[in-house]
Amino acid sequence: KAGVTQTPRYLIKTRGQQVTLSCSPISGHRSVSWYQQTPGQGLQFLFEYFSETQRNKGNFPGRFSGRQFSNSRSEMNVSTLELGDSALYLCASSQDRVGDTEAFFGQGTRLTVV
Amino acid sequence: AQSVTQLDSQVPVFEEAPVELRCNYSSSVSVYLFWYVQYPNQGLQLLLKYLSGSTLVKGINGFEAEFNKSQTSFHLRKPSVHISDTAEYFCAVSRGYSSASKIIFGSGTRLSIRP
Repeated sequence: KAGVTQTPRYLIKTRGQQVTLSCSPISGHRSVSWYQQTPGQGLQFLFEYFSETQRNKGNFPGRFSGRQFSNSRSEMNVSTLELGDSALYLCASSQDRVGDTEAFFGQGTRLTVV
Repeated sequence: AQSVTQLDSQVPVFEEAPVELRCNYSSSVSVYLFWYVQYPNQGLQLLLKYLSGSTLVKGINGFEAEFNKSQTSFHLRKPSVHISDTAEYFCAVSRGYSSASKIIFGSGTRLSIRP
Protein backbone atom coordinates (compact mmCIF):
# COMPACT_ATOMS: atom_id res chain seq x y z
CA LYS A 1 0.00 0.00 0.00
CA ALA A 2 1.55 3.28 -1.06
CA GLY A 3 2.07 5.92 1.62
CA VAL A 4 1.23 9.58 1.57
CA THR A 5 2.94 11.25 -1.38
CA GLN A 6 3.86 14.90 -1.42
CA THR A 7 5.19 16.73 -4.42
CA PRO A 8 7.47 18.39 -5.01
CA ARG A 9 9.97 17.50 -2.26
CA TYR A 10 11.88 20.76 -2.58
CA LEU A 11 10.89 24.16 -3.89
CA ILE A 12 12.59 27.54 -4.09
CA LYS A 13 10.43 30.59 -4.71
CA THR A 14 10.90 34.35 -4.65
CA ARG A 15 9.09 36.72 -2.30
CA GLY A 16 5.75 37.78 -3.72
CA GLN A 17 5.28 34.68 -5.83
CA GLN A 18 2.69 32.02 -5.17
CA VAL A 19 3.17 28.29 -4.77
CA THR A 20 1.03 25.16 -4.94
CA LEU A 21 1.91 21.98 -3.06
CA SER A 22 0.30 18.62 -3.70
CA CYS A 23 -0.59 15.71 -1.45
CA SER A 24 -1.89 12.30 -2.45
CA PRO A 25 -3.28 10.44 0.57
CA ILE A 26 -3.21 6.74 1.17
CA SER A 27 -5.85 4.99 -0.90
CA GLY A 28 -9.14 4.98 0.96
CA HIS A 29 -8.24 7.84 3.28
CA ARG A 30 -10.69 10.70 3.06
CA SER A 31 -9.23 13.14 5.56
CA VAL A 32 -6.19 15.21 4.63
CA SER A 33 -4.54 17.67 7.02
CA TRP A 34 -1.72 20.10 6.42
CA TYR A 35 0.95 21.24 8.89
CA GLN A 36 3.73 23.79 8.73
CA GLN A 37 7.00 22.98 10.48
CA THR A 38 9.56 25.68 11.24
CA PRO A 39 12.47 25.78 13.70
CA GLY A 40 10.94 28.71 15.54
CA GLN A 41 7.25 27.76 15.70
CA GLY A 42 7.47 23.98 15.50
CA LEU A 43 4.60 22.03 13.99
CA GLN A 44 1.46 24.07 13.43
CA PHE A 45 -1.87 22.93 12.02
CA LEU A 46 -2.95 24.70 8.84
CA PHE A 47 -6.24 23.07 7.81
CA GLU A 48 -8.04 19.81 7.26
CA TYR A 49 -10.10 18.69 4.30
CA PHE A 50 -12.67 15.95 4.28
CA SER A 51 -14.89 15.03 1.35
CA GLU A 52 -13.75 18.12 -0.59
CA THR A 53 -14.73 20.46 2.25
CA GLN A 54 -12.55 22.31 4.68
CA ARG A 55 -13.49 20.88 8.03
CA ASN A 56 -11.04 22.60 10.36
CA LYS A 57 -8.71 25.54 10.09
CA GLY A 58 -5.73 26.73 12.08
CA ASN A 59 -4.59 30.29 12.73
CA PHE A 60 -2.94 31.22 9.47
CA PRO A 61 -3.60 34.22 7.26
CA GLY A 62 -5.83 34.01 4.23
CA ARG A 63 -2.78 33.75 1.98
CA PHE A 64 -2.79 30.08 2.90
CA SER A 65 -5.55 28.13 1.23
CA GLY A 66 -6.27 24.62 0.14
CA ARG A 67 -8.65 22.35 -1.62
CA GLN A 68 -9.45 18.70 -1.97
CA PHE A 69 -10.51 16.84 -5.06
CA SER A 70 -13.03 14.04 -5.44
CA ASN A 71 -10.22 11.45 -5.35
CA SER A 72 -9.14 12.90 -1.95
CA ARG A 73 -5.94 14.40 -3.34
CA SER A 74 -5.31 17.78 -1.81
CA GLU A 75 -3.43 20.90 -2.75
CA MET A 76 -2.41 23.84 -0.66
CA ASN A 77 -1.63 27.23 -2.07
CA VAL A 78 0.33 30.09 -0.58
CA SER A 79 0.03 33.45 -2.28
CA THR A 80 2.25 36.51 -1.98
CA LEU A 81 5.06 34.51 -0.41
CA GLU A 82 7.01 35.98 2.49
CA LEU A 83 10.43 34.97 3.78
CA GLY A 84 8.74 33.60 6.90
CA ASP A 85 6.82 31.08 4.83
CA SER A 86 10.02 29.08 4.42
CA ALA A 87 9.22 25.80 6.10
CA LEU A 88 8.63 22.11 5.76
CA TYR A 89 4.99 21.53 4.84
CA LEU A 90 3.64 18.18 5.92
CA CYS A 91 0.49 16.48 4.80
CA ALA A 92 -1.24 13.76 6.80
CA SER A 93 -4.06 11.45 5.86
CA SER A 94 -6.36 9.26 7.88
CA GLN A 95 -9.37 7.04 7.34
CA ASP A 96 -11.66 9.10 9.56
CA ARG A 97 -13.41 6.08 11.06
CA VAL A 98 -14.41 5.69 14.66
CA GLY A 99 -11.60 3.97 16.51
CA ASP A 100 -9.08 4.56 13.75
CA THR A 101 -6.81 7.19 15.16
CA GLU A 102 -3.62 6.95 13.20
CA ALA A 103 -2.54 9.79 10.97
CA PHE A 104 0.00 8.97 8.29
CA PHE A 105 2.39 11.71 7.28
CA GLY A 106 4.12 12.30 4.00
CA GLN A 107 7.80 13.21 3.68
CA GLY A 108 6.95 16.84 3.28
CA THR A 109 7.71 19.63 0.85
CA ARG A 110 10.54 21.90 1.86
CA LEU A 111 9.76 25.41 0.66
CA THR A 112 12.47 28.04 0.63
CA VAL A 113 11.48 31.63 -0.04
CA VAL A 114 14.31 33.94 -1.13
CA ALA B 1 -7.22 24.43 25.29
CA GLN B 2 -4.61 21.73 25.16
CA SER B 3 -0.86 22.10 25.25
CA VAL B 4 2.17 19.84 25.27
CA THR B 5 5.51 20.49 26.93
CA GLN B 6 8.59 18.50 26.12
CA LEU B 7 10.99 19.24 28.89
CA ASP B 8 14.23 18.55 27.05
CA SER B 9 15.13 20.00 23.69
CA GLN B 10 18.13 17.71 23.34
CA VAL B 11 19.05 14.41 24.96
CA PRO B 12 22.49 12.91 24.35
CA VAL B 13 22.93 9.29 25.35
CA PHE B 14 25.44 6.53 24.76
CA GLU B 15 24.58 3.58 22.57
CA GLU B 16 22.95 0.67 24.46
CA ALA B 17 22.08 2.97 27.37
CA PRO B 18 18.47 3.51 28.46
CA VAL B 19 16.68 6.74 27.60
CA GLU B 20 13.61 8.62 28.76
CA LEU B 21 12.10 11.52 26.84
CA ARG B 22 9.75 13.57 28.98
CA CYS B 23 6.38 14.93 28.00
CA ASN B 24 3.73 16.74 30.00
CA TYR B 25 0.36 17.78 28.67
CA SER B 26 -2.38 20.11 29.74
CA SER B 27 -6.03 19.66 28.90
CA SER B 28 -9.37 20.18 30.55
CA VAL B 29 -10.87 17.28 28.62
CA SER B 30 -9.88 13.75 27.75
CA VAL B 31 -7.27 13.57 25.05
CA TYR B 32 -5.46 11.04 22.98
CA LEU B 33 -1.68 10.99 23.34
CA PHE B 34 0.93 10.17 20.74
CA TRP B 35 4.65 9.98 20.19
CA TYR B 36 5.99 10.58 16.69
CA VAL B 37 9.54 10.24 15.38
CA GLN B 38 11.08 12.31 12.60
CA TYR B 39 14.29 11.16 10.95
CA PRO B 40 16.37 13.74 9.04
CA ASN B 41 14.63 14.99 5.91
CA GLN B 42 11.64 12.77 6.56
CA GLY B 43 8.04 13.15 7.62
CA LEU B 44 6.60 11.99 10.92
CA GLN B 45 6.13 8.35 11.85
CA LEU B 46 3.86 7.22 14.65
CA LEU B 47 5.77 5.40 17.40
CA LEU B 48 2.86 4.70 19.73
CA LYS B 49 -0.46 6.05 20.93
CA TYR B 50 -2.58 6.05 24.07
CA LEU B 51 -6.32 6.12 23.65
CA SER B 52 -7.61 4.37 26.77
CA GLY B 53 -7.08 1.22 28.80
CA SER B 54 -3.67 0.05 29.96
CA THR B 55 -1.47 2.97 30.90
CA LEU B 56 1.66 1.27 29.57
CA VAL B 57 1.75 1.46 25.81
CA LYS B 58 4.21 -0.41 23.65
CA GLY B 59 5.21 0.91 20.26
CA ILE B 60 7.53 0.19 17.41
CA ASN B 61 11.32 -0.09 17.56
CA GLY B 62 11.27 -1.16 21.22
CA PHE B 63 9.82 2.09 22.57
CA GLU B 64 7.15 2.29 25.25
CA ALA B 65 5.39 5.07 27.08
CA GLU B 66 3.44 5.34 30.29
CA PHE B 67 0.36 7.48 30.70
CA ASN B 68 0.14 9.06 34.13
CA LYS B 69 -3.10 10.96 34.56
CA SER B 70 -2.32 12.39 38.00
CA GLN B 71 0.97 13.85 36.77
CA THR B 72 -0.39 14.60 33.28
CA SER B 73 2.67 12.97 31.80
CA PHE B 74 3.35 10.62 28.92
CA HIS B 75 7.08 9.88 29.03
CA LEU B 76 8.73 7.81 26.31
CA ARG B 77 11.29 5.17 27.24
CA LYS B 78 13.60 2.67 25.62
CA PRO B 79 15.78 0.30 27.66
CA SER B 80 18.68 0.22 25.18
CA VAL B 81 19.12 2.68 22.33
CA HIS B 82 20.80 2.14 18.99
CA ILE B 83 22.55 4.56 16.67
CA SER B 84 19.56 4.27 14.34
CA ASP B 85 17.34 5.87 17.02
CA THR B 86 19.00 9.22 16.32
CA ALA B 87 16.08 11.44 15.38
CA GLU B 88 13.70 14.07 16.68
CA TYR B 89 10.80 12.89 18.80
CA PHE B 90 7.50 14.70 19.16
CA CYS B 91 4.89 14.21 21.83
CA ALA B 92 1.38 15.18 20.74
CA VAL B 93 -2.21 15.35 21.93
CA SER B 94 -5.46 15.31 20.04
CA ARG B 95 -9.12 15.55 20.81
CA GLY B 96 -9.99 14.12 17.43
CA TYR B 97 -10.28 10.37 17.48
CA SER B 98 -10.24 9.61 13.82
CA SER B 99 -8.27 12.17 11.91
CA ALA B 100 -5.09 14.19 11.91
CA SER B 101 -7.11 17.31 12.50
CA LYS B 102 -5.74 19.68 15.08
CA ILE B 103 -3.04 17.52 16.59
CA ILE B 104 -1.10 19.68 19.05
CA PHE B 105 2.60 18.90 18.95
CA GLY B 106 5.29 19.55 21.51
CA SER B 107 8.43 21.39 20.49
CA GLY B 108 10.37 18.17 19.99
CA THR B 109 13.32 16.44 21.63
CA ARG B 110 16.40 15.75 19.59
CA LEU B 111 17.88 12.40 20.59
CA SER B 112 21.54 11.98 19.74
CA ILE B 113 23.22 8.63 20.26
CA ARG B 114 26.94 8.48 20.93
CA PRO B 115 28.88 5.31 20.06
